[in-house]
Amino acid sequence: GAGVSQSPSNKVTEKGKDVELRCDPISGHTALYWYRQRLGQGLEFLIYFQGNSAPDKSGLPSDRFSAERTGESVSTLTIQRTQQEDSAVYLCASSGRTGTGEAFFGQGTRLTVV
Amino acid sequence: AQSVAQPEDQVNVAEGNPLTVKCTYSVSGNPYLFWYVQYPNRGLQFLLKYITGDNLVKGSYGFEAEFNKSQTSFHLKKPSALVSDSALYFCAVRERGNTPLVFGKGTRLSVIA
Repeated sequence: GAGVSQSPSNKVTEKGKDVELRCDPISGHTALYWYRQRLGQGLEFLIYFQGNSAPDKSGLPSDRFSAERTGESVSTLTIQRTQQEDSAVYLCASSGRTGTGEAFFGQGTRLTVV
Repeated sequence: AQSVAQPEDQVNVAEGNPLTVKCTYSVSGNPYLFWYVQYPNRGLQFLLKYITGDNLVKGSYGFEAEFNKSQTSFHLKKPSALVSDSALYFCAVRERGNTPLVFGKGTRLSVIA
């Protein structure tokens, strides 16, 4: 596609429910990142995929968070048993193979846990 | 692991004056450095990057940044600020190789007319 696409754009869920967020990266981009941005805060790194390498999961805040990526395409971020502190904008970005290219960001999914 | 520090939460500058947004980084090897801007209710937009070569890099909207290896800094600058430059600015770094892109906590720039 022309850009990074994320869905849904907004999600309201009840505390304790599971949610799944989707990211479609730019075609041909091997690197994919997930970040969390709380209101008025910076970008918190969650997870990084690069091609067929094992993902870097060092930023995942708890075992309630997980992510998968199918080859070099779609990625899903799953949050189980959501808590109110999970409320944030979840941003996905992708970049090319070399690492020198800039990352392109999607518009994000705004998650609200009530 | 790599990290980025943006020491100022907020920078205020008068329109027409030069602006600087500070960034320092920590990596074990040579860095790739980036600046992004986030306008209200919009996604992050790429401004400029340093990969190698000339320490002074120029980017979008008249912004530039200077890579200083000895001070491990990559400050963002613009000679003459505009009110429309008011936004949240993020510095980011990645080490060479298979490593993630790590962001600073951001600096809010306010340009006052």
